[in-house]
Amino acid sequence: ETGVTQTPRHLVMGMTNKKSLKCEQHLGHNAMYWYKQSAKKPLELMFVYSLEERVENNSVPSRFSPECPNSSHLFLHLHTLQPEDSALYLCASSQEGLITDTQYFGPGTRLTVL
Amino acid sequence: AQKVTQAQTEISVVEKEDVTLDCVYETRDTTYYLFWYKQPPSGELVFLIRRNSFDEQNEISGRYSWNFQKSTSSFNFTITASQVVDSAVYFCALSEPFTSGANSKLTFGKGITLSVRP
Repeated sequence: ETGVTQTPRHLVMGMTNKKSLKCEQHLGHNAMYWYKQSAKKPLELMFVYSLEERVENNSVPSRFSPECPNSSHLFLHLHTLQPEDSALYLCASSQEGLITDTQYFGPGTRLTVL
Repeated sequence: AQKVTQAQTEISVVEKEDVTLDCVYETRDTTYYLFWYKQPPSGELVFLIRRNSFDEQNEISGRYSWNFQKSTSSFNFTITASQVVDSAVYFCALSEPFTSGANSKLTFGKGITLSVRP
């Protein structure tokens, strides 16, 4: 595997379900990100982790819970979501999370909340 | 606040035409980085270019070229002799530091949907 991978690629869940999105990067990076991409909206940064510590939580509702067990893996735990949470969730990584870094993205998880 | 504006929302061209995608940004920082990403229908954002605020030289990579003009806060992207495979959504982004710490974040424009017809 190379680059940034995300699983699952598609997910349909009910509002009462609990599910998790997984992201893995194979680039040796130390920073990882979750973004949300809704239709007709710019990409929104949700969370940033640097060296497994959360450095930014961009006013995201508590029904989204991130976890970064090591610098290669990032999870987004989902529970009691709303239909408006349906979107493409993109994971990215960068070397150190600095302004000079380039972020590399995974293919995304297309989430549909019924 | 930082802002990236991509005023064009959809562009449709015929193959082999040249097309320019516009990007205008706002920032109060003197050090920043600008990026272009391509998002094909598969969904993954593909990195195309990074340019720092101190380097105003234009860049060419094959059929792609970028024109960075600090005086007008613009970072425009031109595809020469477009091809059907260029059909995608293109995002311009600005890297800026968080208010605290050394980490940074990307602020994206809304994207431009480019359709190249055979």
